[in-house]
Amino acid sequence: AQSVTQPDIHITVSEGASLELRCNYSYGATPYLFWYVQSPGQGLQLLLKYFSGDTLVQGIKGFEAEFKRSQSSFNLRKPSVHWSDAAEYFCAVGPGGGAQKLVFGQGTRLTINP
Amino acid sequence: NAGVTQTPKFQVLKTGQSMTLQCAQDMNHNSMYWYRQDPGMGLRLIYYSASEGTTDKGEVPNGYNVSRLNKREFSLRLESAAPSQTSVYFCASSRPSGANVLTFGAGSRLTVL
Repeated sequence: AQSVTQPDIHITVSEGASLELRCNYSYGATPYLFWYVQSPGQGLQLLLKYFSGDTLVQGIKGFEAEFKRSQSSFNLRKPSVHWSDAAEYFCAVGPGGGAQKLVFGQGTRLTINP
Repeated sequence: NAGVTQTPKFQVLKTGQSMTLQCAQDMNHNSMYWYRQDPGMGLRLIYYSASEGTTDKGEVPNGYNVSRLNKREFSLRLESAAPSQTSVYFCASSRPSGANVLTFGAGSRLTVL
């Protein structure tokens, strides 16, 4: 069965510090992987996606993620966080073609200390 | 462009009441989806419509019905609401290609008393 695990429910970092959010997936075929961000009271916004090719993908707002097939991971990173990055982050996996029936992780809530 | 529009944004129901959540997209997307979001559980797919005229169950379809009214609109109906259906509901849409991405609405917060 398809599944996505985000091991960290809540992470707190200081402004300017680096960030890594973990995502592990279980998927029977070649996965299409996504990271979404949700600010309080808002819908989900796509940060970045991986379909194929270079395993290090760049996204919006200075985020990047690395696909590691051997570890079934797709971790999200940012070198220096800003207070505006405080939000909930969701990793998701999907089939690619046709209807995108994404399976989401539980989410990681990010708090930024000033 | 408005993207994906959901109505209403907030709703309070009593157990046993019915209601319909409306969703419309103006991006000419073929596929549409309804997800629910609960604390600690991420988003779970309720129903989806791969194209106009088709609907299919997702992970948690019990207690819900959907209608793909036309290419733009996809509604979610609760026939007899239960407290377990208290949640935030998100509609999304996408193009049917390998590079497609879900575009989400702002969400509808439903409370069932």
